Parts: sequence; C-alpha cells; structure tokens
Amino acid sequence: EVQLVESGGGLVQPGGSLRLSCAASGFTFSTYWMTWVRQAPGKGLEWVANINQDGSEKSYLDSVKGRFTISRDNAKNSLFLQMNSLRAEDTAMYYCARGLFSPNSWGQGTRVTVSS
Amino acid sequence: QSALTQPRSVSGSPGQSVTISCTGTSSDVGGYNYVSWYQLHPGQAPKLVIYDVNTRPSGVPDRFSGSKSDNTASLTISGLQAEDEGDYYCCSYAGHYTLVFGGGTKLTVL
Repeated sequence: EVQLVESGGGLVQPGGSLRLSCAASGFTFSTYWMTWVRQAPGKGLEWVANINQDGSEKSYLDSVKGRFTISRDNAKNSLFLQMNSLRAEDTAMYYCARGLFSPNSWGQGTRVTVSS
Repeated sequence: QSALTQPRSVSGSPGQSVTISCTGTSSDVGGYNYVSWYQLHPGQAPKLVIYDVNTRPSGVPDRFSGSKSDNTASLTISGLQAEDEGDYYCCSYAGHYTLVFGGGTKLTVL
C-alpha cells in the first residue's frame, strides 16, 4: 500500500524557516516525480513544487521561487521542502503527493502557520 | 500560474447527474490532455477521481466521468449518492513541469 507521511510543520514567525519532510513507502520512490501542494485555510489547492526522479529537474510556484527548495533522498525514500523567508500567506496545510501530471497518492498533510 | 475557473458550488438530488466545469487557457487545459480531478472530504487526503481528462483510477465508480472541449474540462457525476458530497478540484499540467489547480467546487447532495 502506498503511504506518504508528512512531518515538520508548526508555528513559525514571519521571516523564519521550516523544513518539511515526507516519508514514502509501499512503492519504488526513486522512479516517481514527487510534488508538494498546499491548501491555505478556507482556500483551494495550490501547486507548490515538483522534483523529478533523480532531483535534476525542479519547478516552483512563482511566489515561492527563491524562498523554497524541494529536494529528495532516494536512499531514504524521503521528500523535503525547505521553506525560508516565510510569510503569512504561506500559512497552509502542505501535502506531498506522488506523480507529475496527476498526483495520484497524497499524504494527510502537515500544517504550517506563519504568525507573530 | 492563474488558477483555473470552477463554479463555487453545484447541487443535485440523489440519483441525478451534475457537471462541474473547469475553464483554463490554451497554455494549460487546452494545451495538454493532462486534466485531473480530485475529491476532498474534510480531514482526509485528496482523492484522485479522474486523470488524463477521462480516465478513472482503479476503484473509482464509473458514475464519475471526465471530458474536455477546447479550454474547458468537465467532471460529470451521474447517479448522485450522499457520499459524493464534498469539494472537487480540477488540475491541469501547464508546461515546464508545473501544475495549476482550479478554485474548487462544493458539491451538495440535496
């Protein structure tokens, strides 16, 4: 069974940093693109970033470019999202998901709150 | 990276059919056959119900179907059931390894 478990969320002040992790199991992690998607309170889903199988291709939402970095460790079946210079508008539930064109398995999410 | 346009809400009675539209541009919906639809229930992970415009993942009832015409994609749910109530989001590939989601539609089963 495919499982994705996010962690690392929490309360952080504006300008602060957080590193989200996603532990994958139940499939061959190294053969899939991986994706981060977020949902702000009362808002819709928003794609954040993608990374290809070996980490050589990465794409980002314009509003997070230069602040967020997606990475992966295939040896540990793990996906990461380093978030720096956090803003109030980054407050959201962050989901990791498997796949590029139509992410087909999602974790339960980890909540990030940016507030002073 | 502008969000795709969906109606805020739709409703239908059990047994009826409803259709949710998703309008984008030639740079996303109209440019690729990579439109997907997700069902969200409170407190649960999003569930993929349609991918590649009109393909159902294993385990999704055939009451769910998808289509696309030019820059608009549609999700149709026939034979509505109470468990179909929830939020639905369309998603499209937008080139350069990016995705764009719709604003979401709340489906109410009356």
